[in-house]
Amino acid sequence: EEQLVESGGGLVQPGGSLRLSCAASGFTFRSYWMSWVRQAPGKGLEWVANIKQDGSEKYYVDSVKGRFTISRDNAKKSLYLQMNSLRAEDTAVYYCARDGTPMDFWGQGTLVTVSS
Amino acid sequence: QSVLTQPPSVSAAPGQKVTISCSGSSSNIGNNYVSWYQQLPGTAPKLLISQNNKRPSGIPDRFSGSKSGTSATLGITGLQTGDEADYYCGTWDSSLSAGVFGGGTKLTVL
Repeated sequence: EEQLVESGGGLVQPGGSLRLSCAASGFTFRSYWMSWVRQAPGKGLEWVANIKQDGSEKYYVDSVKGRFTISRDNAKKSLYLQMNSLRAEDTAVYYCARDGTPMDFWGQGTLVTVSS
Repeated sequence: QSVLTQPPSVSAAPGQKVTISCSGSSSNIGNNYVSWYQQLPGTAPKLLISQNNKRPSGIPDRFSGSKSGTSATLGITGLQTGDEADYYCGTWDSSLSAGVFGGGTKLTVL
C-alpha cells in the first residue's frame, strides 16, 4: 500500500529554521517527481516546490526562493524540505505529494507554525 | 490572488448536477494538463481528475472533467451529501516554471 508520512513540523520563531521529512513506502520512490504543497489555516492550496527523480531539477514558488531547499534521498525513500528564514506567512500544513503529473498521492501533512 | 480562477462556492440539491469552472491562461491551462482535487473537511487533498478528463481508479463516473482553451470544468452529477468538500484545479505554469492551483471552490449540497 502506498504511503507518504510527513514529519518535522512544529512551532518555530520568525527567522528560524525547520527541516521537514517525508517517508515514502509502497511504490518505487526513485521513479517519481515529488512535490511539497502547503495550506495556510483556512486558505487554499499553494504549490511550494518539486524535485526530479534524480534531484537534478528543482523548482520553487517565488515566495520561498532563496529560503527553502527541496532535496531527496532515493536510498532512504525520503523527501525533505529545508526551511530557513521562516516568516509568519509560512505558517501552514505542509503536504508531500507524489508528482506523477498530476500529484496523484498525498501524505496527511505536518503543521508548521511560525510565531514568537 | 491565485493564478487560476475558481468560483468561491457552488451549491445544489442532492441528486442534481453542478459544474465548477477554472480559468487560466495560455501559459498554464492553455498548454498543460489540468487536474482536479477534492479535499474533504479535515483531510488531505485527493486526486479526482487527471490529464483534463481522466478518472483515477476508484473515482466514480459521476465526476468528469473537460478543458477548452484556457479554461477547464469539473462536473459532478447525482450529488450526494458526501460530496461536500473543497475542490481545486491545478496545473503547471510554463512561464512561472511552477505549479499553480485555483483558489478552491466550496461545494454545498443543500
